[in-house]
Amino acid sequence: EDKVVQSPLSLVVHEGDTVTLNCSYEVTNFRSLLWYKQEKKAPTFLFMLTSSGIEKKSGRLSSILDKKELSSILNITATQTGDSAIYLCAVAPGNTPLVFGKGTRLSVIA
Amino acid sequence: NAGVTQTPKFQVLKTGQSMTLQCAQDMNHNSMYWYRQDPGMGLRLIYYSASEGTTDKGEVPNGYNVSRLNKREFSLRLESAAPSQTSVYFCASSGTAGLSENYGYTFGSGTRLTVV
Repeated sequence: EDKVVQSPLSLVVHEGDTVTLNCSYEVTNFRSLLWYKQEKKAPTFLFMLTSSGIEKKSGRLSSILDKKELSSILNITATQTGDSAIYLCAVAPGNTPLVFGKGTRLSVIA
Repeated sequence: NAGVTQTPKFQVLKTGQSMTLQCAQDMNHNSMYWYRQDPGMGLRLIYYSASEGTTDKGEVPNGYNVSRLNKREFSLRLESAAPSQTSVYFCASSGTAGLSENYGYTFGSGTRLTVV
């Protein structure tokens, strides 16, 4: 059974802190790993990581895929209150739908 | 630039009532999905449609049915609602089953359903 595990499940930090969110997976025919940010409504896409693109960066957010360890991290530097959200990790196993982890709820306090 | 449109946004049902959640996308995507999201559970797949004319069960299909009406529309039906179906429901679409070349899925804004 395909599985995606995220840790921690929740996290509270102060503005300006750096945080690291973790995602590990066990899937057949791994194709890619995706990170989404979910605020009040629908998840919005952050990054897609594949064998040919194991590191992505956008502003204060960056992500790395470790195919050997079957895991990924999402780093957020200099956190702001607007970073407060649920961060979802998902993996694409072959041509079947994405499998999502339970998410990490990040709260950034001023 | 609508993307994925879900209706209704909110709904309260009594146990045993039926209803249909509607979803439409205007991105010419082949694949569409229905997920439910419960606190602390992430997104769990109910049903999906890899292409027009096909539907398949996901992780939690019991109590639901779906219809892929055409390429644009994918509806989710609850025939006899139960309190365990209280959840937030998301519809999503992608270019191909499992993965888009660019950015995974595009999600609708969700339907918050309460069954009392």
